[in-house]
Amino acid sequence: QKEVEQDPGPLSVPEGAIVSLNCTYSNSAFQYFMWYRQYSRKGPELLMYTYSSGNKEDGRFTAQVDKSSKYISLFIRDSQPSDSATYLCAMSAYNNAGNMLTFGGGTRLMVKP
Amino acid sequence: SAVISQKPSRDICQRGTSLTIQCQVDSQVTMMFWYRQQPGQSLTLIATANQGSEATYESGFVIDKFPISRPNLTFSTLTVSNMSPEDSSIYLCSVVGGGVYTQYFGPGTRLTVL
Repeated sequence: QKEVEQDPGPLSVPEGAIVSLNCTYSNSAFQYFMWYRQYSRKGPELLMYTYSSGNKEDGRFTAQVDKSSKYISLFIRDSQPSDSATYLCAMSAYNNAGNMLTFGGGTRLMVKP
Repeated sequence: SAVISQKPSRDICQRGTSLTIQCQVDSQVTMMFWYRQQPGQSLTLIATANQGSEATYESGFVIDKFPISRPNLTFSTLTVSNMSPEDSSIYLCSVVGGGVYTQYFGPGTRLTVL
């Protein structure tokens, strides 16, 4: 079993839809959680960063962490075609500069106009 | 966040040859990471490169195959040696973000080995 599981998709939604992207994990030591967006032929771009459980909102994006269930989510409201990309969750147990990230496999999202 | 550039952006190489990938950061950073992303897959950490010390390699990756240099706090190179088609992948460097305990990535080098 992988440490971080993520549905690979592809997930296809119409423009304006609410998108829910999810990851589950097995390591209870993880306490730093990130979402990266990766456009085709580009490097991953940090989208959201959260610590421990709870919600964090940034514009149309909301990151949610449920440590009791070992489950994290990224919600995208009013999705746009420009949101079409692969979304990678990543997590870490450490808070120092030597942090090691464990990535999910990525979910490919397609938002159709 | 740091601005990271990589050279080359892509290359097509012959089996048995070597390719050196460069990673340049616009600010001084202590730690740099090299990842591999195979087609349709997530990121796999190859090694961690600290300035002034030997790189630390992850399980499954060895220095003879992926030698790394880190001559200063803004630059690193990764060499993919004696390449085979299985080395076809995207190679990414990353740095730890200042003030935020996560990593920022370069645009990647897309390598195809024939």
